[in-house]
Amino acid sequence: DVKVTQSSRYLVKRTGEKVFLECVQDMDHENMFWYRQDPGLGLRLIYFSYDVKMKEKGDIPEGYSVSREKKERFSLILESASTNQTSMYLCASRFPGLAGGTYEQYFGPGTRLTVT
Amino acid sequence: DQQVKQNSPSLSVQEGRISILNCDYTNSMFDYFLWYKKYPAEGPTFLISISSIKDKNEDGRFTVFLNKSAKHLSLHIVPSQPGDSAVYFCAAFTSGTYKYIFGTGTRLKVLA
Repeated sequence: DVKVTQSSRYLVKRTGEKVFLECVQDMDHENMFWYRQDPGLGLRLIYFSYDVKMKEKGDIPEGYSVSREKKERFSLILESASTNQTSMYLCASRFPGLAGGTYEQYFGPGTRLTVT
Repeated sequence: DQQVKQNSPSLSVQEGRISILNCDYTNSMFDYFLWYKKYPAEGPTFLISISSIKDKNEDGRFTVFLNKSAKHLSLHIVPSQPGDSAVYFCAAFTSGTYKYIFGTGTRLKVLA
């Protein structure tokens, strides 16, 4: 069974702290993604990684960085947490679509981060 | 600029009736569309998808329709069940890229 896990379901951090969100997938997927979900804004892409050590900025990368040292693990780093980074963070993975494939992404359960 | 729009934030339907969720897009480069369902405190789960070369795709109670000229897609759920109550996101994708553009979601409530 396909599985994407995230290190924490709920996290409370203080402004200025460095925050690490971990994501692990067991499907040998090459592509991994980090999104944040905010009310009225849907899911917005922060970063994605198309392979180990490869990364690309998404639509809202400011204030974030990522690390992908192993295929199964994709980490999101908030260098200095701010209150406007309070959000639900969702990790996803995907096998690169082949012609006729579904291109579906598999999502983790999410991490609700509160920055105070 | 919202490239994918779900204009109805919420929808209530009686059990057994049809639920129709709508999604509009602006970018004609999108060639693949997906629907996800999300329960509270869980990540989105994939429901059904459609390629731009088709205008309909069915999977059990779920059917997605694509009208390319109108840049509109819809998800039909027949018959609706209380367990279908969730937030539904549509997403659009251009093959060869990695970027999925999600709508803002529609909260469906199926009344028993």
